[in-house]
Order: sequence, then C-alpha cells, then structure tokens
Amino acid sequence: EAGVAQSPRYKIIEKRQSVAFWCNPISGHATLYWYQQILGQGPKLLIQFQNNGVVDDSQLPKDRFSAERLKGVDSTLKIQPAKLEDSAVYLCASSLSRDAQYFGPGTRLTVL
Amino acid sequence: QKEVEQNSGPLSVPEGAIASLNCTYSDRGSQSFFWYRQYSGKSPELIMFIYSNGDKEDGRFTAQLNKASQYVSLLIRDSQPSDSATYLCAVKGAAGNKLTFGGGTRVLVKP
Repeated sequence: EAGVAQSPRYKIIEKRQSVAFWCNPISGHATLYWYQQILGQGPKLLIQFQNNGVVDDSQLPKDRFSAERLKGVDSTLKIQPAKLEDSAVYLCASSLSRDAQYFGPGTRLTVL
Repeated sequence: QKEVEQNSGPLSVPEGAIASLNCTYSDRGSQSFFWYRQYSGKSPELIMFIYSNGDKEDGRFTAQLNKASQYVSLLIRDSQPSDSATYLCAVKGAAGNKLTFGGGTRVLVKP
C-alpha cells in the first residue's frame, strides 16, 4: 500500500512570495491533515479535512494560508505572502476515522 | 500550561538498557494516545497507540496509560543505537479527530 505522497520535498522562496504544497493521502483515507512543524517543536495542526469538508481550521492563519481538498482526495496548501516565520516543515497526514494518522515525508520550506 | 507535555531531553541511555519516556496531558476527556518516532530530517512514524488504562506491549515497546493521573509513558526495552530519535507523544481529545502533539523527547542510545 502506498503511503502519503507530498511534493515538493524542499522549497526556498523570498519573503512575500507565494508557495503551494501538494498532498495525496493513502487510498481510502477520508481524513486529511496539514501540520506545521517548526524545528525543535512537535507538529501543530493547521487544518483537517473530512472528505471535501473542513473539520478544523482554528489554527490556520487565514490571512495568508489557504487549503483545499477537491474531490475528497488530493489537497493543496498555499501560503501568500510568505513571512520569515513560515520557515518550517509542512507535513500532510491521513487517517481512517478513529485510527492513527500516517504522515507523508513533508515539505521543508525556507523563507529568506 | 501546555496541553501535552514532554521532557525535551536528551535522555541518554546505554545500549541494552530500558529507556523510559513520560507524557502528561491536560484534557481529561482525551480518548486515544499515540507515540511517534521521528528521526532527524524525517517525518513522524507511528510506533504505538493505546486507548485503555494499563499496559500495551508491541515487541520491545510498551505503552502505559493512566487516565486518572493523565499520564502516558513509553518504555523501550533492550535499547539499540537505532532507537536514537525524538519520540513524540500525541493525544486525541474527546471531540473530533484532532491530535495534539507534545514537543518530543530526544533519546540518545550510546553503544
């Protein structure tokens, strides 16, 4: 069974530029999550989707971050404009209902 | 007060010894508890989950849960250098599937 796929793996941008990340969850997993992990900290949930709908986006900085999950499968996370403090690893995870979440390899973002 | 707390470490253990990691959480209604291992530069990897009070064993790993004390622990028996990593405790609350992570404990197993 294929795991969670993410791209790109690395991205370097200047502040105020925009960037987008892509995630393809494990087949059949209805729930998809985006996390931000700053160096030395645990992952922080940004947004949770159940199929196409948003379940929790309480910690998403909505003035600059947006996310969508079309057709209940793939998802994209966008940052516009990026700030220096957005430098982090962006992790996508997926799960079946109550079960554990499985993470993709992540995208390491550096904002200069 | 953080929702999920872990000692950041590093926890240094000799090869072959038992590593004991602790995690406390604030939401008394929490239902599910997970331990993830994260190697440097890699993403978190699930190693254990526990839902009920008591112990759960899987190979060299044992998870222990005490809901009354709001405490969950992970024991790693016969520690190997390959166990050197950061161990993340994650707690799922009473509502929804939101997982809250602790800051992680870094473990160093010395040959």
